[in-house]
Order: sequence, then structure tokens, then C-alpha cells
Amino acid sequence: DQQVKQNSPSLSVQEGRISILNCDYTNSMFDYFLWYKKYPAEGPTFLISISSIKDKNEDGRFTVFLNKSAKHLSLHIVPSQPGDSAVYFCAASANSGGSNYKLTFGKGTLLTVNP
Amino acid sequence: NAGVTQTPKFRILKIGQSMTLQCTQDMNHNYMYWYRQDPGMGLKLIYYSVGAGITDKGEVPNGYNVSRSTTEDFPLRLELAAPSQTSVYFCASRPGGGNTIYFGEGSWLTVV
Repeated sequence: DQQVKQNSPSLSVQEGRISILNCDYTNSMFDYFLWYKKYPAEGPTFLISISSIKDKNEDGRFTVFLNKSAKHLSLHIVPSQPGDSAVYFCAASANSGGSNYKLTFGKGTLLTVNP
Repeated sequence: NAGVTQTPKFRILKIGQSMTLQCTQDMNHNYMYWYRQDPGMGLKLIYYSVGAGITDKGEVPNGYNVSRSTTEDFPLRLELAAPSQTSVYFCASRPGGGNTIYFGEGSWLTVV
């Protein structure tokens, strides 16, 4: 049973436009959410996160929105750049900061930003 | 700044062989993790550790063993390798009280 779902395996956008990556979760105990970016042959790198007590977090071109009632979060990248082309993983955890904290990942969305 | 370092980067193993994937971190993080990623799938947790001498199973622990004798090192042992263990393995760490997990660059393992 997949607790974190990224239903779009891929997304293609034009440079300068907005990229919107979506993620749904089923476990109501999740209280912390993260987005990771992964280039081929490299490990995932942390991008941005949000606690369940917030509904928005912004860092430069990246904004994450959380809708707890819908169990849905999204990552907005504005403006998109060719260097943003990568696989984006949504991850979630319960027990924020605690010893039992571990991440559950979605399958990822491959973002391609065309020049 | 090294962060999380994994070795080897690539390895081909024969069925039934054993090997150890090494992982070390220089950030003095309490928590360490091993994940595997199969093609087209998300990362799945194999084992994790909350500190030296303490380890626990994750979602997919069968066929693997770990130890944590020091804060810095968290090796993953594969006994009797099987083709189903062909995957990319990621070691990661997290500071106590923090929520961000930092990953190594990965180890690509093929079992033939």
C-alpha cells in the first residue's frame, strides 16, 4: 500500500514557465513533508520542506503548498530553468524530529525543462 | 565538506556471494539510514540506526544486516546475494532533533 503517491511519472515545461509537481498521501499521522531533487547517478538532495502546522513554505523559486484536508501537497518552481530538470521525490514522515523519524517516499516525477 | 560517503560506487556480484557496502559520515549525526531504490520506484528503507550500538529494521530488511559500532560508520552487509538485490543503495544521515535527511551519492549493485 503506497502511502505517498506521485501520480505523474513525468512533466515537461518550457523554460521560464511554472512547474507544478503534485503529491498525495494517505497516512494521517504524517506531520512533516519534504521534496528531494535527484540527478542521474547522484544521491537525492534536499530541496524544501514543510511542517503540518503550515500550509505554505517558500524558498526562492521554490514553494511548497500543503492541503491537510485533501492530504495533498505540491511543489511550485517559478520560473523553471533547464538546470531544474531532474527527478523530484516527495517524502513524508511522522514523529517529526523524534527518534522514530524515517521518510516514506513517492515514486518520483521526472521534470524536463525545455530551453 | 565530505558529508555522507559511500563505497564502492559500482559493484557486480555473483549469486551467493557476500559483500559489505561502506558508509561513513563526518557530520556527527546521530541517525543513519540505508535505503534502496529500484527502477521506477521510490526509495525504500532497509535499516536505520538511532545511535552507536542501536539498529532497527525498516520496510525491506530481508537479506541484509547492519551494525553501528561508531557514530560515523554504518555498513550494510549483504549475505548470499540474490538477483532481487540488484538495486541502487543510498546511505543517509540526520542530526538529532532535525528533520532533514542527507544522502550519500549511492552505490550501484548488480547481482548476476
